[in-house]
Amino acid sequence: GEQVEQLPSILRVQEGSSASINCTYENSASNYFPWYKQEPGENPKLIIDIRSNMERKQTQGLIVLLDKKAKRFSLHITDTQPGDSAMYFCAASPNYNVLYFGSGTKLTVEP
Amino acid sequence: GPKVLQIPSHQIIDMGQMVTLNCDPVSNHLYFYWYKQILGQQMEFLVNFYNGKVMEKSKLFKDQFSVERPDGSYFTLKIQPTALEDSAVYFCASSLGAANTEVFFGKGTRLTVV
Repeated sequence: GEQVEQLPSILRVQEGSSASINCTYENSASNYFPWYKQEPGENPKLIIDIRSNMERKQTQGLIVLLDKKAKRFSLHITDTQPGDSAMYFCAASPNYNVLYFGSGTKLTVEP
Repeated sequence: GPKVLQIPSHQIIDMGQMVTLNCDPVSNHLYFYWYKQILGQQMEFLVNFYNGKVMEKSKLFKDQFSVERPDGSYFTLKIQPTALEDSAVYFCASSLGAANTEVFFGKGTRLTVV
């Protein structure tokens, strides 16, 4: 299995600023780390992922960092917009695409 | 994009009765999953399924739970009998590959056991 811790649970930022969410994991066999965005009543949607052979990945205002030694990974949203307001979940997968999720971060971007 | 469809979106059932949750995975996907989410908490892995077999299951996947995908139709989660603590949102998911590939989630079925 796997245990994933995610902080903070609640995050409020001003529009245009950046937001950061941090996760840690325990199982050194975990090699795939996706991030999901979930809006109320909707399905979780993958926004970015990183594999264990990378330390950094960036796409469309999102940056993920992975520190395998510290068993830590993080999501950074640059230039936040009100549409970024949602629940964000990190996850780690040690095998067979089984995802172990963090407890979530409720991000609110205030105009 | 690819969609995982779940039917119904909400189901209310009497404690002790049987319930079947249905999932229509992405058409060419080979790996299927069920997750359970209690309100305000994270999704928790229940089971994954490939080639007609359960590959891995968690402690949450009680003896009362079973999964199947007969003849490539719906991927189902059956709970028999249901208990009050089974009330949650159940998410179905699917992926094309076994590792490091995107997992697509449905919108979930909210199960209320009364």
